This record gives sequence, structure tokens and C-alpha cells, in this order.
Amino acid sequence: SQTIHQWPATLVQPVGSPLSLECTVEGTSNPNLYWYRQAAGRGLQLLFYSVGIGQISSEVPQNLSASRPQDRQFILSSKKLLLSDSGFYLCAWSGDFRITDTQYFGPGTRLTVL
Amino acid sequence: KQEVTQIPAALSVPEGENLVLNCSFTDSAIYNLQWFRQDPGKGLTSLLLIQSSQREQTSGRLNASLDKSSGRSTLYIAASQPGDSATYLCAVYEETSGSRLTFGEGTQLTVNP
Repeated sequence: SQTIHQWPATLVQPVGSPLSLECTVEGTSNPNLYWYRQAAGRGLQLLFYSVGIGQISSEVPQNLSASRPQDRQFILSSKKLLLSDSGFYLCAWSGDFRITDTQYFGPGTRLTVL
Repeated sequence: KQEVTQIPAALSVPEGENLVLNCSFTDSAIYNLQWFRQDPGKGLTSLLLIQSSQREQTSGRLNASLDKSSGRSTLYIAASQPGDSATYLCAVYEETSGSRLTFGEGTQLTVNP
């Protein structure tokens, strides 16, 4: 069966510090991968998605970036965090890019920027 | 731009009650609509997925309907239980931007014993 992991589970970082969140998927190959952010009182916002190694599409301009160094690894990064980067970050994967397959979500990372 | 709205934002009901959660979307050109559940501080769990050609899907005590032309979906929960307490999110896959799953802000459900 497929599983999706995210770490760390929680993170408290000062403004201006770097960020690296990791997501890995097991039990499937060539998944489509997604990074979402859920801010307090707001819905989920798609940040990045990837259909293959090295292929990243950005949905929202920001100071975050994403990389996919391996087929089942998706990394969210920042060089300098802002207060507004605080939120709940969710990674997800799907097997089919859009039509019939649901997205499966990881447990999330709670990021607090102070 | 697709917008997804969920009403009500919060709902509190006694155990055993049947209830309906509403979701509306502005652009009817969708591939499918999905309902998710999110427990506090946790990720999302997929509940039901309705293809654009379908009218409804059922799983246990859950029934989701889709009226694509009017841009509406409902999630019906029968005989609610305290364990159903969570935030319920609906999301749509758009035909014009297949990568984008647009979410509503959710309905926070509390089922009181």
C-alpha cells in the first residue's frame, strides 16, 4: 500500500531563517506531487505541483521554492522565512494527473515563524 | 477564476441527527468534485469523489450529490456520531487547469453526544 510521510511534524523558526520541509511517498512510482499551505482561517492554497523529477510548477509567487530530486521525494524550501509563511503545510500525491484519481495527503507540518 | 464556497462555516448537532453540508462552485467546467475530512492538526482524508458525469456517490453513512450545471454539491451524513466531528472540505478539479484542485474553506462539524 502507498504511504506518504512528511517531516518535521512541527517547526518553529525565526524570521529570516532558511526552511526545508521534506515529503516522501512509498509504494508507488512516478506520482504527481503537490505542496499546499493552509493558513489560519483560510482554505488550502496550492503552492507547487510536480509531474516528474525536476519538473516543478509554481502556482503562487512567493519566497518559497520546491524541488523534486528523486521520483518520490518533494522538498519545500525558503532562503529567508517571513512571518506570513506561518501555516500548516501539506504534501499530497496522486496517481492520475487530473481525471479520476483523488489526492492523498500527508500528515502535515505545522510551521510557526516568529 | 474558480471559487468554492461552503455553507455553513460551522455546524453543531446532537448525535443521531441527519445533516447536510453544502458546497458551491462558480465554474461548472470541472472534471470531478471531492469531499475530504480533516481532523484538527491532521492531514486530509478523501471521503468521496464524484466524476463530472455522475450525480452521486455513497460510502456507508455518507452520500454526496453533484449538480454540475448549477454548480452545487451536498454531503449528506446519516445518523451522525461524535466521531464524525471534523472539518469537511470540498474541492473541484477544473477542466481548464487540470493541475489545480480548488478547495472551499470547509465546514467545521461538531456532533455532541
